[in-house]
Amino acid sequence: DAGVTQSPTHLIKTRGQQVTLRCSPKSGHDTVSWYQQALGQGPQFIFQYYEEEERQRGNFPDRFSGHQFPNYSSELNVNALLLGDSALYLCASNTQGLLQPQHFGDGTRLSIL
Amino acid sequence: AQKITQTQPGMFVQEKEAVTLDCTYDTSDPSYGLFWYKQPSSGEMIFLIYQGSYDQQNATEGRYSLNFQKARKSANLVISASQLGDSAMYFCAMRGPNRDDKIIFGKGTRLHILP
Repeated sequence: DAGVTQSPTHLIKTRGQQVTLRCSPKSGHDTVSWYQQALGQGPQFIFQYYEEEERQRGNFPDRFSGHQFPNYSSELNVNALLLGDSALYLCASNTQGLLQPQHFGDGTRLSIL
Repeated sequence: AQKITQTQPGMFVQEKEAVTLDCTYDTSDPSYGLFWYKQPSSGEMIFLIYQGSYDQQNATEGRYSLNFQKARKSANLVISASQLGDSAMYFCAMRGPNRDDKIIFGKGTRLHILP
């Protein structure tokens, strides 16, 4: 039973560039959430997708956008990259049902030069 | 608004001893879930244990148990017989009852197990 998978593992970009991160949820899960985790901090919620729509959004600018596909996989896009976007980006998935825990992928470590 | 507080930035514990990681929370929802995650230095977030607000008994998963005190709004993680591999960052988290509710995290506690 495959867990949450994310790609790529590491990524190096320069300021102003655009990046796309990918996530496949755990088998049986239909909801995907994205988090940004700066070094030494807890994860910060970016947004959540369910039924191919953005359902909840954290305090992140419009440069951060996403998409969910019919197979429940998801992408996170960040435009006009800033140095401060350097972080570990975590994808999490959960199933329907109240109070279900989220299962996380290994993350994508994004470095902006 | 929901809030999670972890007051221990770091802890050092001798191998084989039990350790308690503190977590307090605040919410106005009567129904909620509490979670603990472990994050080793490699970065992956590993789900450890879950407690529902209406659960009568404290959750247990192997060496992990959750000391849930609803009236005090605390959800401490207890690790029995600690091992060197337990050295990691530990996050307490909470989620509301609605389908679209996001999970919020505390700032974490870094646990060091000493040989």
